[in-house]
Amino acid sequence: NAGVTQTPKFQVLKTGQSMTLQCAQDMNHEYMSWYRQDPGMGLRLIHYSVGAGITDQGEVPNGYNVSRSTTEDFPLRLLSAAPSQTSVYFCASTLGQNTEAFFGQGTRLTVV
Amino acid sequence: GQQVMQIPQYQHVQEGEDFTTYCNSSTTLSNIQWYKQRPGGHPVFLIQLVKSGEVKKQKRLTFQFGEAKKNSSLHITATQTTDVGTYFCGLWAGGYQKVTFGTGTKLQVIP
Repeated sequence: NAGVTQTPKFQVLKTGQSMTLQCAQDMNHEYMSWYRQDPGMGLRLIHYSVGAGITDQGEVPNGYNVSRSTTEDFPLRLLSAAPSQTSVYFCASTLGQNTEAFFGQGTRLTVV
Repeated sequence: GQQVMQIPQYQHVQEGEDFTTYCNSSTTLSNIQWYKQRPGGHPVFLIQLVKSGEVKKQKRLTFQFGEAKKNSSLHITATQTTDVGTYFCGLWAGGYQKVTFGTGTKLQVIP
């Protein structure tokens, strides 16, 4: 049982480039979320999904897109990377409401 | 929406000393969760509190939910170097569709 798998683990982008961070879970969890973590800022919610075909914005959605075509996958797209998007990104999933969140290993993204 | 403030932001303790981190909300919380993130790692769930005044223990860790369900604390007795990391409180918000987190308390234990 792999849990939540994120790829890549590390990425360097040039300003203006686009890319997709992958997230997959094999626990049949309905809820999935993306967070970014910056020093002193904690975990800030970017986008979340409560099931296939349903997504919504979190606290800091600008510059990011998501889709949820299957229960297992929840990719995060950076449309045009900016240095302000340099961060560590975590994907998380939960079985349902009021349950524990399982996190992926994280993606360390640097935008130069 | 519901938010929690977490204090302190940083804490350095000598090994063997106790440590406490607090999460405070201006509104009543339905539940609160605690997570630990080791340096370079990802957050890992520790516990969830739901009931007013609830106290739960995990070895040297004691978790409390306030009587008014507006605050919570995590207390570590006799810290060890393995306790190093950042501790986050989290709560289900937005009609229980998403988990939001406090800013975290980074604990450093000096051997």
